[in-house]
Amino acid sequence: GIQVEQSPPDLILQEGANSTLRCNFSDSVNNLQWFHQNPWGQLINLFYIPSGTKQNGRLSATTVATERYSLLYISSSQTTDSGVYFCAAYQNYGGSQGNLIFGKGTKLSVKP
Amino acid sequence: ETGVTQTPRHLVMGMTNKKSLKCEQHLGHNAMYWYKQSAKKPLELMFVYSLEERVENNSVPSRFSPECPNSSHLFLHLHTLQPEDSALYLCASSRRWLAGVSSGANVLTFGAGSRLTVL
Repeated sequence: GIQVEQSPPDLILQEGANSTLRCNFSDSVNNLQWFHQNPWGQLINLFYIPSGTKQNGRLSATTVATERYSLLYISSSQTTDSGVYFCAAYQNYGGSQGNLIFGKGTKLSVKP
Repeated sequence: ETGVTQTPRHLVMGMTNKKSLKCEQHLGHNAMYWYKQSAKKPLELMFVYSLEERVENNSVPSRFSPECPNSSHLFLHLHTLQPEDSALYLCASSRRWLAGVSSGANVLTFGAGSRLTVL
């Protein structure tokens, strides 16, 4: 099955700073999703982005499927951005097409 | 409120107990999922139900028993669990299980999770 790797594993930012989180995947995928898990465990879908670029407020994401990576940009970070960011991908072919494979996440801490 | 509700939020049980986790979605979705999140590990898919039929069972021990009585409700029945089963159990739903590349129909909406501690 596919492997999903995220970097960095941990990130500490000062409020107002920008950051880029990276997600690499080992095989062709037809679906790439980014999630934010807050400190209380709630997972929220940020982006569904199989390819191209999308923006939502201070967040944007880019997926280059041919090069097997996706990036999540956070601009002007706020303390409420703290938590763990996961990327997840569906395998494009072969078995287990229905499984969304998650990376281990990037833990972000934004300091005031 | 995300549209997917999980109860209880916290559960402590002994290894000989029988308990159940409940998940309810009012989004009109046709697929529901159970995920397990343990410390320092990626989210692990446990079960998938599509149109109330189990379509994925990822080698989960039989001490976990899912039930999907209708498209809005999903249960996870627990019995004779082990301490290593302590984890956050997350329920999710999507419009469809398998979907086309650009449809977005398999975008997941998660519940807040049930934190399980097995003593």
